[in-house]
Amino acid sequence: KAGVTQTPRYLIKTRGQQVTLSCSPISGHRSVSWYQQTPGQGLQFLFEYFSETQRNKGNFPGRFSGRQFSNSRSEMNVSTLELGDSALYLCASSSGQAYNEQFFGPGTRLTVL
Amino acid sequence: AQSVTQLDSQVPVFEEAPVELRCNYSSSVSVYLFWYVQYPNQGLQLLLKYLSGSTLVKGINGFEAEFNKSQTSFHLRKPSVHISDTAEYFCAVGSNFGNEKLTFGTGTRLTIIP
Repeated sequence: KAGVTQTPRYLIKTRGQQVTLSCSPISGHRSVSWYQQTPGQGLQFLFEYFSETQRNKGNFPGRFSGRQFSNSRSEMNVSTLELGDSALYLCASSSGQAYNEQFFGPGTRLTVL
Repeated sequence: AQSVTQLDSQVPVFEEAPVELRCNYSSSVSVYLFWYVQYPNQGLQLLLKYLSGSTLVKGINGFEAEFNKSQTSFHLRKPSVHISDTAEYFCAVGSNFGNEKLTFGTGTRLTIIP
């Protein structure tokens, strides 16, 4: 069974640009969650999608958005990038039922210059 | 609201010695508790989880943790560590059926000394 895949693995952008990150969950999983990991703030929850609907949202500005497609693949978008958006963005998938284990992908390392 | 406190940011331990990584949580509702491990340049891997039932939970790689409701703790232990256990360990808390949000602690970097 293939694991969670994230593309791209590394990105370099400049301030003011926008970026789109992609996450393909484990086959059969309907829930996809996104987390931001930084040395200063640790791991912070961005949002969760289940069956194409945003089911939960963390405390991030509106520049951070996401969506989920009918095949459960998810994308997150960050507009008007700031230096502080440099981070490792992790995606996790689960069945979305009965608090199943969340399986994490390897992450996308975003650097904003 | 939930929160997780990992009291030790770094823990150095000699190889084959025992280790305990501490985790305390705060929550106004019933919780589910998790320990994840992150190796360099990788995502997070679940070590073990407590959902209900026995308070002593056994996980992968010889790790175990004990849920203590009165002390709101979920400390991770291993009786004998190996070089391969060098990694960052995260405690996390979740709640509410159908809500996949996890609140993580700040992590503990475990360094094994040969």
